[in-house]
Amino acid sequence: NAGVTQTPKFRVLKTGQSMTLLCAQDMNHEYMYWYRQDPGMGLRLIHYSVGEGTTAKGEVPDGYNVSRLKKQNFLLGLESAAPSQTSVYFCASSLLRRNTEAFFGQGTRLTVV
Amino acid sequence: GESVGLHLPTLSVQEGDNSIINCAYSNSASDYFIWYKQESGKGPQFIIDIRSNMDKRQGQRVTVLLNKTVKHLSLQIAATQPGDSAVYFCAETPNFGNEKLTFGTGTRLTIIP
Repeated sequence: NAGVTQTPKFRVLKTGQSMTLLCAQDMNHEYMYWYRQDPGMGLRLIHYSVGEGTTAKGEVPDGYNVSRLKKQNFLLGLESAAPSQTSVYFCASSLLRRNTEAFFGQGTRLTVV
Repeated sequence: GESVGLHLPTLSVQEGDNSIINCAYSNSASDYFIWYKQESGKGPQFIIDIRSNMDKRQGQRVTVLLNKTVKHLSLQIAATQPGDSAVYFCAETPNFGNEKLTFGTGTRLTIIP
């Protein structure tokens, strides 16, 4: 089983460039999440989705946009990348709202220079 | 503001011994807690959870203890194995069912052969 797959695994962007991170899950989960993980800090929620066609802001949404056009995919977009967005990004999905059995992807390491 | 933190950033334990990882939280309204394991280069993996109406919960080789009086959470791993080497962090939410978890920064557990 693939679980949660993130694409790409690594990326280097120049300041001002745009990109989209793709998260795909094959578990038919309703809920999907995007987190960022920075050194010395815990995971922080960027955006989340409680179902196809819905999205909501998390703790640190500024500078990011998301879309959930299909239930299995959750896209995270950076319209104009900034060095402060250098981070490791994790996507997760869960069947239940309480995020108990959330399954995480392997992460995307993004560097903005 | 409210935060979830860990007492020690690193912990080394002899293989076969028991390990205890601690987590302090400051939000007295925290209702639900989760422990995650994150191996190098991988996404977090759910280990065990506990509600605030419980003091203890056991899983396979792991036990979580909750002391609401001092707002302290611990994860005990019995008979540690090399595969237990990872970063462990706790997360909390004030409302069971709330997708907005607050994550701690993590403790790196190293198992000494």
